[in-house]
Amino acid sequence: EAGVAQSPRYKIIEKRQSVAFWCNPISGHATLYWYQQILGQGPKLLIQFQNNGVVDDSQLPKDRFSAERLKGVDSTLKIQPAKLEDSAVYLCASSLAPSGTTDTQYFGPGTRLTVL
Amino acid sequence: AQSVTQLGSHVSVSEGALVLLRCNYSSSVPPYLFWYVQYPNQGLQLLLKYTTGATLVKGINGFEAEFKKSETSFHLTKPSAHMSDAAEYFCAVDGYQKVTFGTGTKLQVIP
Repeated sequence: EAGVAQSPRYKIIEKRQSVAFWCNPISGHATLYWYQQILGQGPKLLIQFQNNGVVDDSQLPKDRFSAERLKGVDSTLKIQPAKLEDSAVYLCASSLAPSGTTDTQYFGPGTRLTVL
Repeated sequence: AQSVTQLGSHVSVSEGALVLLRCNYSSSVPPYLFWYVQYPNQGLQLLLKYTTGATLVKGINGFEAEFKKSETSFHLTKPSAHMSDAAEYFCAVDGYQKVTFGTGTKLQVIP
């Protein structure tokens, strides 16, 4: 079974530029998560999708971050414009069922973003 | 609200020694609890999880954790550390449809 795929693995941009990350979850997984992991911290949930609907985006900085999951499969996360403090690893995860169940989240390798 | 506290951002043990990584949580509802491991430049991998039932949970790579409701703890242990255990470990709580992670503990194994 293929795991969660993410691209690119690394990205370096200058502040005020835009960037987009892509995630392809495990086939058949209805729930998809985007996390931000700043160096030295644990992952912080940005947004959770159930199929193509948003379940939780309470911690997503909506003035600059956006995410979509068209057709309920793969997803993109965009930052526009980027700030220095957005430097982090962006992790995508997927699960069969949403959090609040006993289901396990499977994580991709992450995209490391550096904003100069 | 829910939160996770991992005591000790860095832990060093000798190869063959006991590994003990501490995790305390708070949750307003009966929680699900998880331990994940993260190797450099990789995503998180589930070690073990507690949902309901037996409070001693066994996971992969010889790790286990015990859920203690009275102490609101979910400490991770392994009887004998191996060099390959060197990684960062995250405790997480799922209290009500949202997962909160701790800040992580980096485990160093000394040969």
